[in-house]
Amino acid sequence: GQQVQQSPASLVLQEGENAELQCNFSTSLNSMQWFYQRPGGSLVSLFYNPSGTKHSGRLTSTTVIKERRSSLHISSSQTTDSGTYLCALEITGNTGKLIFGLGTTLQVQP
Amino acid sequence: DPKIIQKPKYLVAVTGSEKILICEQYLGHNAMYWYRQSAKKPLEFMFSYSYQKLMDNQTASSRFQPQSSKKNHLDLQITALKPDDSATYFCASSQEAGGQDTQYFGPGTRLLVL
Repeated sequence: GQQVQQSPASLVLQEGENAELQCNFSTSLNSMQWFYQRPGGSLVSLFYNPSGTKHSGRLTSTTVIKERRSSLHISSSQTTDSGTYLCALEITGNTGKLIFGLGTTLQVQP
Repeated sequence: DPKIIQKPKYLVAVTGSEKILICEQYLGHNAMYWYRQSAKKPLEFMFSYSYQKLMDNQTASSRFQPQSSKKNHLDLQITALKPDDSATYFCASSQEAGGQDTQYFGPGTRLLVL
């Protein structure tokens, strides 16, 4: 089965609403990263967060290793937040291989 | 200035031909990677290199061959192209392989095989 599962698959918000994106994984990990994939395809690293909580502007990432989950919270969403959010985990080992989820596609409407 | 350069941005090839995808990073990183993203599938790891040496190969086919002529270059040669190879290919880099470092991605090369 898929090692990284993201939910929801898609989400539509009105501008100003908050969003909570979930990432669950079924294996032990070295690290967890969250990416934003622009509609044009390029990936932007949002967080490197192997455990605990990190903040960046309106974004908050929380990883709880014991529960094998990570979340991305977007507060006061804006239309420019629209795109796909991907989580990726680096499994135990030393090759740097990242395993990605299918992503959550977010659409923020004005 | 872009820190990871991939060339070309778009590529159309005929079945059976050979193409090389170029990747250069200017982040001073020691590890480089290739990933592939096909429609309806998650980004898929292909290769990792550290100090120009192969660390991991998750690509079943020998038609895919990475080439590292310099520490900050990792090109991808694809031979005997098939329509199923159509995908966006992303190059990435990090300070060290398996060093629990952030990976940074290039803009991708979108390959279409007819």
